[in-house]
Amino acid sequence: DVKVTQSSRYLVKRTGEKVFLECVQDMDHENMFWYRQDPGLGLRLIYFSYDVKMKEKGDIPEGYSVSREKKERFSLILESASTNQTSMYLCASSSNRGYYEQYFGPGTRLTVT
Amino acid sequence: AQSVSQHNHHVILSEAASLELGCNYSYGGTVNLFWYVQYPGQHLQLLLKYFSGDPLVKGIKGFEAEFIKSKFSFNLRKPSVQWSDTAEYFCAVNAGEYGNKLVFGAGTILRVKS
Repeated sequence: DVKVTQSSRYLVKRTGEKVFLECVQDMDHENMFWYRQDPGLGLRLIYFSYDVKMKEKGDIPEGYSVSREKKERFSLILESASTNQTSMYLCASSSNRGYYEQYFGPGTRLTVT
Repeated sequence: AQSVSQHNHHVILSEAASLELGCNYSYGGTVNLFWYVQYPGQHLQLLLKYFSGDPLVKGIKGFEAEFIKSKFSFNLRKPSVQWSDTAEYFCAVNAGEYGNKLVFGAGTILRVKS
């Protein structure tokens, strides 16, 4: 079974803090994704990566950056957290060998106060 | 831009009622289609998928979906819902021009009354 893990289930940070969200997958997937999930808006893609050290912007990259130094790990960074970044953050991975179905981690609920 | 539309944001059903959740997409080429489910407090998991072949696909827990190419639709169905089907359901599409990404609908929250 594919396993995608995220470093925290719940996180509370203050405005202006730098925030790191970590994601690890154990299935040697090429592709990794970061989404945020907000009520009524579905899943919105922040950034994705199709290879180590490669990254591409998604639909809402402003205020975020990412890092992928190893194939299994994909980090989301909030350089200076703001209250409008309070959300559920989901990490996912997929393989180029299938039909791109994505496997999701449990999510991190981030609250910025 | 490609979009995925889910017609209902909230659906409330009684146990044993039949379910149909609508999903329409705007891309005209070859597509891979998915339904995901998120039970309360749990992570998103794949319910079913369509790539090619028989347009009626069956997934876990008695769910099925029908791909109708002419209508750009991939509706999710279940003949008789249970209280345990209470969850949020997301339709997602992978299309050639988007490479390895999925585009998700806004989700439908289903509440089943016991």
